[in-house]
Amino acid sequence: DGGITQSPKYLFRKEGQNVTLSCEQNLNHDAMYWYRQDPGQGLRLIYYSQIVNDFQKGDIAEGYSVSREKKESFPLTVTSAQKNPTAFYLCASSMTGANTGELFFGEGSRLTVL
Amino acid sequence: GENVEQHPSTLSVQEGDSAVIKCTYSDSASNYFPWYKQELGKRPQLIIDIRSNVGEKKDQRIAVTLNKTAKHFSLHITETQPEDSAVYFCAATPYNQGGKLIFGQGTELSVKP
Repeated sequence: DGGITQSPKYLFRKEGQNVTLSCEQNLNHDAMYWYRQDPGQGLRLIYYSQIVNDFQKGDIAEGYSVSREKKESFPLTVTSAQKNPTAFYLCASSMTGANTGELFFGEGSRLTVL
Repeated sequence: GENVEQHPSTLSVQEGDSAVIKCTYSDSASNYFPWYKQELGKRPQLIIDIRSNVGEKKDQRIAVTLNKTAKHFSLHITETQPEDSAVYFCAATPYNQGGKLIFGQGTELSVKP
């Protein structure tokens, strides 16, 4: 059953703690993305990766970090430096670049900072 | 960098009426414009897309138009149905930044029976 899986679905964290969101895909896609969704602000790009061992900052990368050691995996770490981390996070993948075809999204991870 | 503005933020129509959502983009190098639909509690899914070498594209009740000169594109939904109720996002990506899909703020469409 092919798809893109995010975990955990819900996550609570205390201020000052780092947290890592998992994103795994078995679609054999080269490109992967992390978006943040806030009410009224649409989907804002955090980081994206077009190939293994390479990634680029999106528009709101501050306070976040990623790695792309395997084609299937693109974990996102929300660090304590992120000032307003409470949000809904969406991971996506596409066969190649975002301008060549459809993005497939995961079901999302909702992070709440207490 | 690219910036995408989307209007309106909310739209309410009666079942059977048409709905139009408009987006403008800033980077004239953008060449790919997809539209995504996100139903409540679900992931966004692609419903239609258009490339810069095409002015209009239709798929059943959905159509998208692109005006490159004015740098705006629109989603048209005809004969709306309650199941069309969702949040719709437009997006754009410059040809030289293939990995960077920039989304608009979203439009919450409500179709009343």
